[in-house]
Amino acid sequence: ETGVTQTPRHLVMGMTNKKSLKCEQHLGHNAMYWYKQSAKKPLELMFVYNFKEQTENNSVPSRFSPECPNSSHLFLHLHTLQPEDSALYLCASSHLAGGPYNEQFFGPGTRLTVL
Amino acid sequence: AQKITQTQPGMFVQEKEAVTLDCTYDTSDPSYGLFWYKQPSSGEMIFLIYQGSYDQQNATEGRYSLNFQKARKSANLVISASQLGDSAMYFCAMREGGNNNDMRFGAGTRLTVKP
Repeated sequence: ETGVTQTPRHLVMGMTNKKSLKCEQHLGHNAMYWYKQSAKKPLELMFVYNFKEQTENNSVPSRFSPECPNSSHLFLHLHTLQPEDSALYLCASSHLAGGPYNEQFFGPGTRLTVL
Repeated sequence: AQKITQTQPGMFVQEKEAVTLDCTYDTSDPSYGLFWYKQPSSGEMIFLIYQGSYDQQNATEGRYSLNFQKARKSANLVISASQLGDSAMYFCAMREGGNNNDMRFGAGTRLTVKP
């Protein structure tokens, strides 16, 4: 596989469920990101990992818990979500975090619906 | 404060014609990068083109070119010879220098190419 992959592509869950989103990059990058894309709102950065270390948590509620076991894999653990958390969750990677020159490459996203 | 502004929620263009998608930005950092992404209905964000703040020439990538007017703080995307497959959402984004991990995205422009 090439690029950035995300599983699952679609997820429907209840507010009491626990689920995880997975992201994998095959680009040899060192930085990975989680974004949330809600309808009619700009893309929102949630978390940044650089060399497996979390460098940014953009005031994200604790019901979202990221995990980065290595530079190629990124997870987003979900629990006790709210209906307003329904959105497209995009994973991205770049060579390095920080600096103006590192373009980010995105995965196809996970479309999450919280009932 | 919103740093990236895309004033065109929707645009239409005839197949084979050129179209310009507007983007203005706001920053006091002399070092920054500007990016355009395409998001088809499948959800994946596809990197199109990059312009650095110190670049002397406008960036070009195939049918995509970036009309960079630094004094006006604008970075418009020009798509030449539009194709039906160009129909998608287009996002302008900016990343400032230093250790800033945050890539700011505009609200997007939905482009529809008419046959």
